[in-house]
Amino acid sequence: QKEVEQDPGPLSVPEGAIVSLNCTYSNSAFQYFMWYRQYSRKGPELLMYTYSSGNKEDGRFTAQVDKSSKYISLFIRDSQPSDSATYLCATSGDSSYKLIFGSGTRLLVRP
Amino acid sequence: GAGVSQSPSNKVTEKGKDVELRCDPISGHTALYWYRQSLGQGLEFLIYFQGNSAPDKSGLPSDRFSAERTGGSVSTLTIQRTQQEDSAVYLCASSSTGLVQETQYFGPGTRLLVL
Repeated sequence: QKEVEQDPGPLSVPEGAIVSLNCTYSNSAFQYFMWYRQYSRKGPELLMYTYSSGNKEDGRFTAQVDKSSKYISLFIRDSQPSDSATYLCATSGDSSYKLIFGSGTRLLVRP
Repeated sequence: GAGVSQSPSNKVTEKGKDVELRCDPISGHTALYWYRQSLGQGLEFLIYFQGNSAPDKSGLPSDRFSAERTGGSVSTLTIQRTQQEDSAVYLCASSSTGLVQETQYFGPGTRLLVL
């Protein structure tokens, strides 16, 4: 079993839709969770970061961690064509310095 | 300020040749990471440098892969006797002190194609 599992998509939605992106992870002891966004032919950039469980909101983006089910989610409200990218979830695992990344979900927001 | 830069942007090489990939981290960042991203795959950790400490090389896939970081700044990833399965995007990232909860700033990557 991979430590982080993520549906590769692609996920295609119309502009304005609410998008839900999800990952599962293997160990409930994992503490730090991130979402990175990667545009085509660019490096990933940090979008959201959460510690332990609960929600974190930043503008149109909400990150959610459910430690009981080992499930992390990213919600995008009022999606825009500029949100079209690959979204990578990541967790600290049991490391103090390196991240474990999911395989990424490709999102396409149609105008 | 300048972000993480990588060179070359693209590299096409023949099977069996050696290649060198370069990473210039953000000035002042003590932590530097190398990742590999194959088509449709996530980021695979390769190696981690932190200051003057011994690097964590646990992600290097074979002894054909090696990396150096000179003077705590620029890093070079070397792949010897390249194979077709080495074709991928090689990404470099740096962070301020290397704590896992810090933002990792990524370069644009080097796209390597081994023919």
